[in-house]
Amino acid sequence: SQTIHQWPATLVQPVGSPLSLECTVEGTSNPNLYWYRQAAGRGLQLLFYSVGIGQISSEVPQNLSASRPQDRQFILSSKKLLLSDSGFYLCAWSIGQSYEQYFGPGTRLTVT
Amino acid sequence: ELKVEQNPLFLSMQEGKNYTIYCNYSTTSDRLYWYRQDPGKSLESLFVLLSNGAVKQEGRLMASLDTKARLSTLHITAAVHDLSATYFCAPFDNYGQNFVFGPGTRLSVLP
Repeated sequence: SQTIHQWPATLVQPVGSPLSLECTVEGTSNPNLYWYRQAAGRGLQLLFYSVGIGQISSEVPQNLSASRPQDRQFILSSKKLLLSDSGFYLCAWSIGQSYEQYFGPGTRLTVT
Repeated sequence: ELKVEQNPLFLSMQEGKNYTIYCNYSTTSDRLYWYRQDPGKSLESLFVLLSNGAVKQEGRLMASLDTKARLSTLHITAAVHDLSATYFCAPFDNYGQNFVFGPGTRLSVLP
């Protein structure tokens, strides 16, 4: 069966510090991978998605970036965090763009 | 660009009552998912609706899709406290080729 992992689960970082969040998927090959952000009490905003290694599409221009160094690994990064980067970051995978997305447990980021 | 609205955004209801959550979207979509999110947790898929007129039911929840009206509904029958959560609809954007999530409906079922 397929599983999706995210770490860390929670993170408190000062403004201006770098960020690296990791997502890995097990039990499937060549998944579509997604990064979403959810601000407190709000809906989900798609940040990045990837249909293959090294292929990243950005949905929202910002100070975040994503990389996919391996088939089942998706990384979200920032060189300098802003207060507005605080939120709940969710990674998801699917077998195709129009198919059901399965979400990871999430990382709660607080920028202070 | 596909826009999604949910109505209501907040819903407080008593146990045993019925209610419907509405999801409207702005452009053509041929499939739609409903997800549930418990406080502080991730999202869990509830239903997938793949065609006009599709209806899915599980327990006290029933979802339907009208692609011509660009409307999906999530009906709650005889609500119980365990249904308290935030519910998101997510129609597929045929042009952008990704799902677009609604703002969510926060449901609170009171004893």
